[in-house]
Amino acid sequence: GEDVEQSLFLSVREGDSSVINCTYTDSSSTYLYWYKQEPGAGLQLLTYIFSNMDMKQDQRLTVLLNKKDKHLSLRIADTQTGDSAIYFCATSPTGANNLFFGTGTRLTVIP
Amino acid sequence: DTAVSQTPKYLVTQMGNDKSIKCEQNLGHDTMYWYKQDSKKFLKIMFSYNNKELIINETVPNRFSPKSPDKAHLNLHINSLELGDSAVYFCASSQGRGIEDYEQYFGPGTRLTVT
Repeated sequence: GEDVEQSLFLSVREGDSSVINCTYTDSSSTYLYWYKQEPGAGLQLLTYIFSNMDMKQDQRLTVLLNKKDKHLSLRIADTQTGDSAIYFCATSPTGANNLFFGTGTRLTVIP
Repeated sequence: DTAVSQTPKYLVTQMGNDKSIKCEQNLGHDTMYWYKQDSKKFLKIMFSYNNKELIINETVPNRFSPKSPDKAHLNLHINSLELGDSAVYFCASSQGRGIEDYEQYFGPGTRLTVT
């Protein structure tokens, strides 16, 4: 099955950029997602990228996909304290009927 | 106007009891899911139903039994609760089974504590 890995923790200062990385093993993954989970809340879809794209930008969020290395990243520009949360990378391999989630990266923004 | 709702939000119960968690979605989606998030925040799929038909059943003990009375509801019944069942359970839904329909909408979660 698919194996999705993320580093567990990231701390940045308010106003800096944050880069959250994710690696996956199944090259057939067609859609790749980033979800945000705030404390005590459910998961909120932030953005996604289709596998034939290298980059997608959505306001402060930039997703980069290196399909050859099976590496996905989420860049948050001008990180704010409200961005503190756990960020999950998720993939949907071809033929699978569900998402495979990474371990989550806890982002802490220091004022 | 909640899209995916779960009840209860919190559930505290003793070992050996049987409990149910309910999930409803008003998005008109065809597919619903149950995920378990453990204390380390690892999120794993448990079940998936499409139009009331079970399509995913991961290695979950048979003490867990999902029930889908209609495509807007997917309830999770747990028999003989164990300490290791303590976790947050998330319900989710998506439009369909196709590759392009994997955008999943999550409920707020049910925190189950077994004592």
